[in-house]
Amino acid sequence: SQQGEEDPQALSIQEGENATMNCSYKTSINNLQWYRQNSGRGLVHLILIRSNEREKHSGRLRVTLDTSKKSSSLLITASRAADTASYFCATDAVILGDLGMRFGAGTRLTVKP
Amino acid sequence: ETGVTQTPRHLVMGMTNKKSLKCEQHLGHNAMYWYKQSAKKPLELMFVYNFKEQTENNSVPSRFSPECPNSSHLFLHLHTLQPEDSALYLCASSQDEVQPQHFGDGTRLSIL
Repeated sequence: SQQGEEDPQALSIQEGENATMNCSYKTSINNLQWYRQNSGRGLVHLILIRSNEREKHSGRLRVTLDTSKKSSSLLITASRAADTASYFCATDAVILGDLGMRFGAGTRLTVKP
Repeated sequence: ETGVTQTPRHLVMGMTNKKSLKCEQHLGHNAMYWYKQSAKKPLELMFVYNFKEQTENNSVPSRFSPECPNSSHLFLHLHTLQPEDSALYLCASSQDEVQPQHFGDGTRLSIL
């Protein structure tokens, strides 16, 4: 069963602009992860944020988590053409008795040079 | 290089064929996964193996049959598939079932 849902489905920006992608989920989680997928490749893990954390940074990436709203956001600052990819959030569903992570359908980001 | 290798990268088969997808990881991980990725749909978790034991089967049709002979190798045996089974099949591994996953580049499967 799907847990995370990303919004928007597609986002197109100019190089140098910031990109914000959102993720909403339905049940309580232990952690939330963001992944990136380049066309024709597998997913690559970007950041893991635990339920007791509110914000995390990694280079040009900033992830926030609001457990009261069951939502997370991924901000990419000063975007580059190489950031063009699909971005997915994934949540654990331990509370449901399920094992493993559940992924959304992703946000397709296009950064124009 | 993600440490997870999938073969073949592309596979075209008829509905009556039998084929197998292979996944190998050299990361010392204990959990391995099969996912199905179709266009504009969420990534579908198919099977989870933890310490070579299958811990989850997400109502996957029996025409898909997983095999995990050891913690480094995972297979997906395919037989009498349907056209709607055409998709990208991704394998992943992780230290445990909530740790970050490392993905292979997938097998693009086309059913004629």
